[in-house]
Amino acid sequence: NAGVTQTPKFQVLKTGQSMTLQCAQDMNHEYMSWYRQDPGMGLRLIHYSVGAGITDQGEVPNGYNVSRSTTEDFPLRLLSAAPSQTSVYFCASRYEAPYGIAITTEAFFGQGTRLTVV
Amino acid sequence: SQQGEEDPQALSIQEGENATMNCSYKTSINNLQWYRQNSGRGLVHLILIRSNEREKHSGRLRVTLDTSKKSSSLLITASRAADTASYFCATDTDGGSQGNLIFGKGTKLSVKP
Repeated sequence: NAGVTQTPKFQVLKTGQSMTLQCAQDMNHEYMSWYRQDPGMGLRLIHYSVGAGITDQGEVPNGYNVSRSTTEDFPLRLLSAAPSQTSVYFCASRYEAPYGIAITTEAFFGQGTRLTVV
Repeated sequence: SQQGEEDPQALSIQEGENATMNCSYKTSINNLQWYRQNSGRGLVHLILIRSNEREKHSGRLRVTLDTSKKSSSLLITASRAADTASYFCATDTDGGSQGNLIFGKGTKLSVKP
C-alpha cells in the first residue's frame, strides 16, 4: 500500500493563479481532510470529507474548494492564489470506527505540498 | 481555533535523558492522540489514549491523560538522537465536526548526541 500520496511536493504560484493539490489514498478510508501548517500555528483544518460526495468546511476554508467524487481522491483547489496561502499543505485520511465505538481513529498523513505564492 | 496546546514549545536534552511534553485542551474529548513530525515530513501517529484511560505505554513512550484537568503528557524515556522531531497532540471534538482531529502547535524536541 502506498498510503496517502500528495502531488506535487513543491509548487510556486503567482498571485491570482489557480491550481489543484492532489491527494489520493489506497486504504479505503472514509474520512479525508486537508490541513495547512504555518510556522507557530500548528495544523489548521481547511476542509474535510466523511465519504464520497460529502464535504464540509473546517477552520480556515476561505479561498479553497474541495470535492470528493471517489473514496480514493480528495483534491484541494486554490481558486485565486494569494501570498497568505503560502504554506505547507497536508492531506490525511482516517478509517471509520466500528459502529457504536465513540472514537476518532488515527490519521494517516501524506508527505505534504510546500506551496509558495509570489 | 486550537483545541490542544503543547508545552514547552521547544525542548533540548541530551541523549539518554527523558523528555516530557504536555498538552492542555479546552473541551471534552473522546480520545487524545500524539503524533511525531520529522523535519520536512508528514505527521506519523504515535499513540492514542481514550477518555476513560489514564495511562498508556508503547515502547519507550508513556502517555497520561487527566480529563479533570483537561491535560495529557507524553514521556519519551532514554531518548535518542533519532527522537529529534516535533510532537503534536490532537484531540477530537466530542459530538461535533464529525470527530475531526484538532492539532496543537507542537513541541520541538532536540536530542543532542
